[in-house]
Amino acid sequence: QKEVEQDPGPLSVPEGAIVSLNCTYSNSAFQYFMWYRQYSRKGPELLMYTYSSGNKEDGRFTAQVDKSSKYISLFIRDSQPSDSATYLCAMSPNTGTASKLTFGTGTRLQVML
Amino acid sequence: GAVVSQHPSWVICKSGTSVKIECRSLDFQATTMFWYRQFPKQSLMLMATSNEGSKATYEQGVEKDKFLINHASLTLSTLTVTSAHPEDSSFYICSAPWTGATASSTDTQYFGPGTRLTVL
Repeated sequence: QKEVEQDPGPLSVPEGAIVSLNCTYSNSAFQYFMWYRQYSRKGPELLMYTYSSGNKEDGRFTAQVDKSSKYISLFIRDSQPSDSATYLCAMSPNTGTASKLTFGTGTRLQVML
Repeated sequence: GAVVSQHPSWVICKSGTSVKIECRSLDFQATTMFWYRQFPKQSLMLMATSNEGSKATYEQGVEKDKFLINHASLTLSTLTVTSAHPEDSSFYICSAPWTGATASSTDTQYFGPGTRLTVL
């Protein structure tokens, strides 16, 4: 069993839709959670990070963490074609400079006009 | 802030040659950098942790003699793929943690744009 599970998609939605992306994890030591967006043949770009259960909002993006269920989500409101990319969840047991990230496989999102 | 660059962005080489990839933190110092490899439609797999002033630490299954890492300064780490073979063809990405503008900020890793290596 992988430490982090993420549905690879692809997920196709119409423009303006609310998108829900999810990851589950098995390692209860993970305390620090991130979402990255990766366009084709580019490096990942940090979207959101959080280290506590609950919701964190930034513009059209909301990150949700449920540590009791070992489940994290990223919601994108009013999705745009420019949101079409692969979304990677990542997590770590700590936040130090030597902290290693464990990634999900990524979910490919396609927002249709 | 927190910009990480990589050079080259794309390289093609013949089997048996060595290739060096540079990772630079442009506007901050990084005592630690990370090297990842990503195969098509797969996630990032951590290869090694690059430490300024000391040896790199490699993940299980990664050949340290094949993937040489040198953290020459607080802003530069290099990955050299020695005697490259077609199975080494992949997308190599580095990252560096950055605390941010304030002391209360949490360390977050920022990624370079990646280097696509094709070995013929």
